[in-house]
Amino acid sequence: DAMVIQNPRYQVTQFGKPVTLSCSQTLNHNVMYWYQQKSSQAPKLLFHYYDKDFNNEADTPDNFQSRRPNTSFCFLDIRSPGLGDAAMYLCATSIEGPTYNEQFFGPGTRLTVL
Amino acid sequence: AQSVTQLGSHVSVSEGALVLLRCNYSSSVPPYLFWYVQYPNQGLQLLLKYTTGATLVKGINGFEAEFKKSETSFHLTKPSAHMSDAAEYFCAVTVLGGTGKLIFGQGTTLQVKP
Repeated sequence: DAMVIQNPRYQVTQFGKPVTLSCSQTLNHNVMYWYQQKSSQAPKLLFHYYDKDFNNEADTPDNFQSRRPNTSFCFLDIRSPGLGDAAMYLCATSIEGPTYNEQFFGPGTRLTVL
Repeated sequence: AQSVTQLGSHVSVSEGALVLLRCNYSSSVPPYLFWYVQYPNQGLQLLLKYTTGATLVKGINGFEAEFKKSETSFHLTKPSAHMSDAAEYFCAVTVLGGTGKLIFGQGTTLQVKP
């Protein structure tokens, strides 16, 4: 089945230690999104890639970076994680078209910062 | 700009009872509306969507929603709750021609009592 895969599902890091979260997709979608979801809150969009074009949300901290080496993969890098960055990180994909962009979500990576 | 308001952060029903989760939106252009469900430590799964056409939309797991433009609402219903319906539910809006960015409501936790 075509799908969105996130690895690892659970990640523990130390305060200030860089961490990378991975997302891959077999849907061949050209748009990929990264969301941060804190406990009992709605997902918050951090940035998205439209093909190779990177689009950052205005309020996304500089601490968060992303890479998309090819259509299938996208990475979220947190350069110096703080305690406030502990959250679920969700990757989603969609295909650009003439109408709406339905997003397909991965299972998420839960990040713990010690 | 678009926004979504979900009335009631927690809803509790008995098994077999009607489920009603409320969602109101604000949009200056015709919206596309979605309901997603999230189980603990999982990603978001699309329940149903409204784009154009029929205003009563049927989704998975027996859920349906009705788009009411005059009331700017998109409430989610299910005639008979099942224990497995206990989860977090998010209403979201996007618009044609936008970046595909989803604007989420704050979510409603559905509790189903035996």
